[in-house]
Amino acid sequence: ILNVEQSPQSLHVQEGDSTNFTCSFPSSNFYALHWYRWETAKSPEALFVMTLNGDEKKKGRISATLNTKEGYSYLYIKGSQPEDSATYLCAARGYSGAGSYQLTFGKGTKLSVIP
Amino acid sequence: DAMVIQNPRYQVTQFGKPVTLSCSQTLNHNVMYWYQQKSSQAPKLLFHYYDKDFNNEADTPDNFQSRRPNTSFCFLDIRSPGLGDAAMYLCATGTVRGQPQHFGDGTRLSIL
Repeated sequence: ILNVEQSPQSLHVQEGDSTNFTCSFPSSNFYALHWYRWETAKSPEALFVMTLNGDEKKKGRISATLNTKEGYSYLYIKGSQPEDSATYLCAARGYSGAGSYQLTFGKGTKLSVIP
Repeated sequence: DAMVIQNPRYQVTQFGKPVTLSCSQTLNHNVMYWYQQKSSQAPKLLFHYYDKDFNNEADTPDNFQSRRPNTSFCFLDIRSPGLGDAAMYLCATGTVRGQPQHFGDGTRLSIL
């Protein structure tokens, strides 16, 4: 079972500000890192899946990086908009041989973008 | 659109009264998961099915059981709900190939 930590727990930013938050996980026994966005009253929506050290993924104004050697991932939001307000969850998938496909989630970072 | 659907969105039950939450999917994914999420906590995996194979997490209480009668449907049964079982229950589907999991909207369970 992996221990996944996210920080900060919550943050408030002004519309137009850029922001970033962190997900840390054990660097040993690592297989993949998932990011999800969870808006209130909706289902968690997958943003990225990353596996390789140095991976960078981008989706519109949101991007993520992965450092598997030190065990962290950053999620960046450029020019935050009110519609970016959500809880951002990261989840790590460990490697335990064939058929390892379970995720361990962090508690999430709750982002509020103030118009 | 292919989806993961959970019913109901909100469920209220009495202390000790059995309750069943349902999940259906049109993605034809092999794996179906049930997570429990309490306020400000990480979603916690309760169990999952890989096809018909049931995999229980070691710390999932015996009070929680699951059924998967076919590929499309999966149920979470709570035999005797306690106050501590009030939470959001999320169903998700996935494959063994490492693609993202697909989630339903969740069922928020309240215990009176």
